[in-house]
Amino acid sequence: QSALTQPRSVSGSPGQSVTISCTGTSSDVGGYNYVSWYQQHPGKAPKLMLYDVTKRPSGVPDRFSGSKSGNTASLTISGLQVEDEADYYCCSYAGSYTFVVFGGGTKLTVL
Amino acid sequence: EVQLVESGGGLVKPGGSLRLSCAASGFTFSSYSMNWVRQAPGKGLEWVSSISSSNTYIYYVDSVKGRFTISRDNAKNSLYLQMNSLRAEDTAVYYCARDVSAHFDYWGQGTLVTVSS
Repeated sequence: QSALTQPRSVSGSPGQSVTISCTGTSSDVGGYNYVSWYQQHPGKAPKLMLYDVTKRPSGVPDRFSGSKSGNTASLTISGLQVEDEADYYCCSYAGSYTFVVFGGGTKLTVL
Repeated sequence: EVQLVESGGGLVKPGGSLRLSCAASGFTFSSYSMNWVRQAPGKGLEWVSSISSSNTYIYYVDSVKGRFTISRDNAKNSLYLQMNSLRAEDTAVYYCARDVSAHFDYWGQGTLVTVSS
């Protein structure tokens, strides 16, 4: 049950775009289209931002988009805003025994 | 409005026990799988356990198997986590989360469990 691999930090300026990668294996990210992304501000509970790789829950801006290629999923945030500064976690279904595995998290800094 | 409210956290000595509860409202609790996800201080998220809507399927992360027990009472709209033989590495904020096809669409505010002598 190894964690998915994310960069520890990324940064960008307001208005720019950033992409956060999430690398797993063929047993999790590469094997299923059940990748989700969560945003977490300090001291707050995580918030679902994307699910099933590309789908946005109601209320999440379309500046947030997702994709997947092989064993790597990606979250792209376009038109960065100051309020996007947070930790981001990917998560993937990993089969009926393991269920799900999270990434280690990426701290996004909006400069 | 969907609400998940955890309770039961606190300070416990190594080897001790604690029972967490999660009170759900605003949705048909009996129709959803539910989960516990934890976050150690300054660390990332870790899925802990899952229980299906009718108790048919139960899963645990390897590190808690044999020590933690997840359960639910659909009549009381409540989710539980019985934690025994607690270790220092179990120290974390424990979140209750609703599960829809392996993603977590609603989360509680979390309850802190501290295992220390």
